[in-house]
Amino acid sequence: AQRVTQPEKLLSVFKGAPVELKCNYSYSGSPELFWYVQYSRQRLQLLLRHISRESIKGFTADLNKGETSFHLKKPFAQEEDSAMYYCALLNQAGTALIFGKGTTLSVSS
Amino acid sequence: EAGVVQSPRYKIIEKKQPVAFWCNPISGHNTLYWYLQNLGQGPELLIRYENEEAVDDSQLPKDRFSAERLKGVDSTLKIQPAELGDSAVYLCASSLTGTRNTGELFFGEGSRLTVL
Repeated sequence: AQRVTQPEKLLSVFKGAPVELKCNYSYSGSPELFWYVQYSRQRLQLLLRHISRESIKGFTADLNKGETSFHLKKPFAQEEDSAMYYCALLNQAGTALIFGKGTTLSVSS
Repeated sequence: EAGVVQSPRYKIIEKKQPVAFWCNPISGHNTLYWYLQNLGQGPELLIRYENEEAVDDSQLPKDRFSAERLKGVDSTLKIQPAELGDSAVYLCASSLTGTRNTGELFFGEGSRLTVL
């Protein structure tokens, strides 16, 4: 079965603290994984994709096939990082995304 | 570029009434998706179009939901009759068509439905 699990509904941190948003997946073969973000009053948008190995807004995510994880990390959280974060998996057919339930990140000063 | 445009943004109806949502994708995007987002959940795929053809509608409850994408551009999602459990946000997204989806979907702002 193809599935994405985000175990935390809410993650609250202080500004400057490290952040790790957890994502685990279930997939047969080599997965393609993504992080999407939704800031307050904005539309859902792509943050980063594992295949690009990029760092966006200081966030990185590494695919760990052994642990079937794709955790999103940032060393120093900023208040503007407060948003809803969704981990997503490209389905086996390569035609649509399967989303996790999302984690709300709240960064306070 | 306006991005994906959806309307209405909000809709309140009584149960058993019909409702329709409209989506205009980004120009040139052949693939269009309708996702359902219940409160506290992630988006779930309802239907996917490649041009005017519905190529994946396995998750669409066909007894009350219908969708169309005439001329392969705009799309309409209809519910008739609506039930209390249909209260949710209906998201439209579009993407470029390729031999393999890049995973970048461009979402609209969503249509929030409340059924009383």
